[in-house]
Amino acid sequence: KNQVEQSPQSLIILEGKNCTLQCNYTVSPFSNLRWYKQDTGRGPVSLTIMTFSENTKSNGRYTATLDADTKQSSLHITASQLSDSASYICVVSADNNDMRFGAGTRLTVKP
Amino acid sequence: EPEVTQTPSHQVTQMGQEVILRCVPISNHLYFYWYRQILGQKVEFLVSFYNNEISEKSEIFDDQFSVERPDGSNFTLKIRSTKLEDSAMYFCASRQGWVNGYTFGSGTRLTVV
Repeated sequence: KNQVEQSPQSLIILEGKNCTLQCNYTVSPFSNLRWYKQDTGRGPVSLTIMTFSENTKSNGRYTATLDADTKQSSLHITASQLSDSASYICVVSADNNDMRFGAGTRLTVKP
Repeated sequence: EPEVTQTPSHQVTQMGQEVILRCVPISNHLYFYWYRQILGQKVEFLVSFYNNEISEKSEIFDDQFSVERPDGSNFTLKIRSTKLEDSAMYFCASRQGWVNGYTFGSGTRLTVV
């Protein structure tokens, strides 16, 4: 069954600290993986998109990794800011473009 | 930067009433989607639309739901007879091509009372 599992469910960190969010998936055949940031009450905003051949991709303070062999991805946030408080959603697409959403990790950055 | 625009931002309706949620996708995008997110739960796919017809729909998208692109600009989601469990955030998304990223709107919060 095509699934996307994210961990942790929620995370609280202090401003300036780093954190890493995890995504495991069983979606097959794999096409691409996206990380989205969703502020409360808003639509998801794309952070990165990774295809099968990409291992690491950075977007500012966000760095995503992908291990297609183990079907795992991570999103690393460096030097967190208060505005990073949001839900981070991992979305995996199959070849038929069926997108599977993870439940998200709720990140809270405290001063 | 181009945006996907959704209106209204919040709609309250009585159970059994019809609602129409409106979306204006990005102008050169060809693929259109509706998703919903019940409070505290994950985003769920409802329907995809391409070339003026539904290309895929989920189990959630039953006979009570319909979509239209009436004027080549707006993309609407209609719920004919709302139920309490239809209360959710409804997101419209669009993308230019098969391999492009999705752009989501800010959502419409539907509350059925």
